[in-house]
Amino acid sequence: AQSVTQPDIHITVSEGASLELRCNYSYGATPYLFWYVQSPGQGLQLLLKYFSGDTLVQGIKGFEAEFKRSQSSFNLRKPSVHWSDAAEYFCAVVTYGQNFVFGPGTRLSVLP
Amino acid sequence: ETGVTQTPRHLVMGMTNKKSLKCEQHLGHNAMYWYKQSAKKPLELMFVYNFKEQTENNSVPSRFSPECPNSSHLFLHLHTLQPEDSALYLCASSQEAQRGDLQETQYFGPGTRLLVL
Repeated sequence: AQSVTQPDIHITVSEGASLELRCNYSYGATPYLFWYVQSPGQGLQLLLKYFSGDTLVQGIKGFEAEFKRSQSSFNLRKPSVHWSDAAEYFCAVVTYGQNFVFGPGTRLSVLP
Repeated sequence: ETGVTQTPRHLVMGMTNKKSLKCEQHLGHNAMYWYKQSAKKPLELMFVYNFKEQTENNSVPSRFSPECPNSSHLFLHLHTLQPEDSALYLCASSQEAQRGDLQETQYFGPGTRLLVL
């Protein structure tokens, strides 16, 4: 069965530090990959997506993610975290004929 | 982001009440979705509508009744809910062509925070 894992439930970083959020998937075919962010009490906002081509994709708010087929991973990165980045981050995947599958989420806290 | 709107944003209801959640998308999409987000649980897909036809019902109890009168509007009718139904209900939309094609990017509304007393 297809699945998406985000190994880190909660991550805390200091403002200005670098960030990497992990996402791994289990699929028979190459999926299309997404990262969403959810601020408290809000819906999910699309950060970036990978469909094909360059495996390093740029998103909004200074985020980027790298697709590594050999590791079945799509990790999200940011070189310097801002306090406003504190939120919950969801990885999602979809393949042909299937619905979106979301990971359980990683909550990011940012220390001043 | 005002592409997908949801009303009301907050709702408190008793177990014997009947209420409806509304979702409207202004993106020209033809697929719409209802998700339930409970604390400490992954997003749960409830219903999928594609071209106004329901294509997915993930074993959702009958006390939740969806309605899609056109491709821009989606409702979730609620009746005789239970306290465990308290959650954030998210609506999303995407551009979708044929059934079985790849679902395009989903765009989410802000959600309705529901509390059942």
